[in-house]
Amino acid sequence: EVQLVESGGGLVQPGGSLRLSCAASGFTVSSNYMSWVRQAPGKGLEWVSVFYTAGETYYADSVKGRFTISRDNSKNTLYLQMNSLRAEDTAVYYCARGRPDYGDYDCWGHGTLVTVSS
Amino acid sequence: ENVLTQSPGTLSLSPGERATLSCRASQSVGSRYLAWYQQKPGQAPRVLIFGTSNRATGIPDRFSGSGSGTDFTLTISRLEPEDFAVYYCQQYGSPPHYTFGQGTRLEI
Repeated sequence: EVQLVESGGGLVQPGGSLRLSCAASGFTVSSNYMSWVRQAPGKGLEWVSVFYTAGETYYADSVKGRFTISRDNSKNTLYLQMNSLRAEDTAVYYCARGRPDYGDYDCWGHGTLVTVSS
Repeated sequence: ENVLTQSPGTLSLSPGERATLSCRASQSVGSRYLAWYQQKPGQAPRVLIFGTSNRATGIPDRFSGSGSGTDFTLTISRLEPEDFAVYYCQQYGSPPHYTFGQGTRLEI
């Protein structure tokens, strides 16, 4: 069964750091493009970052220079290192698997909540 | 950035009725790169339609997608009670960038 399980969320002070993990099973993360998508409380979906199979990475302007996406093939896991966190980064963070040749996401994790507050 | 605007914001209908949800892009979207998702409270989104008109695995045929260029539509032919949720359109464009619409809430 294809599955994504996020972890690493929690409460962090403004200016702090957090690393999210997304463990995949049933498929190989290195064979798919993978993304992080977030959703602030009561709000819509916001794309955060993508990691392509060849290793290229891209970010939304709102997180560029503060967040870093990475992948550990040996652990079949995707990561999101979040630095210089702000209150507006408070959200549920989902990892999602991209569908080859299309631009959608065909598998999502359950999400992990990040709260940035003093 | 290609901005997606969904309408209406909220759609109030009854089971058995037909729902038509709109998604308008500020720039043209390739037909392969427009998708629709359904999200229920406390759950992750799930893809319904990809490539403008392709139903994802396990999605009932009462869901259909259409459109081209900047105007896209999700149609639910006969609403079932489990269809009441929030729906998002999403596009992929260059530079690699993905955007979502603000969502349409479908309520009973």
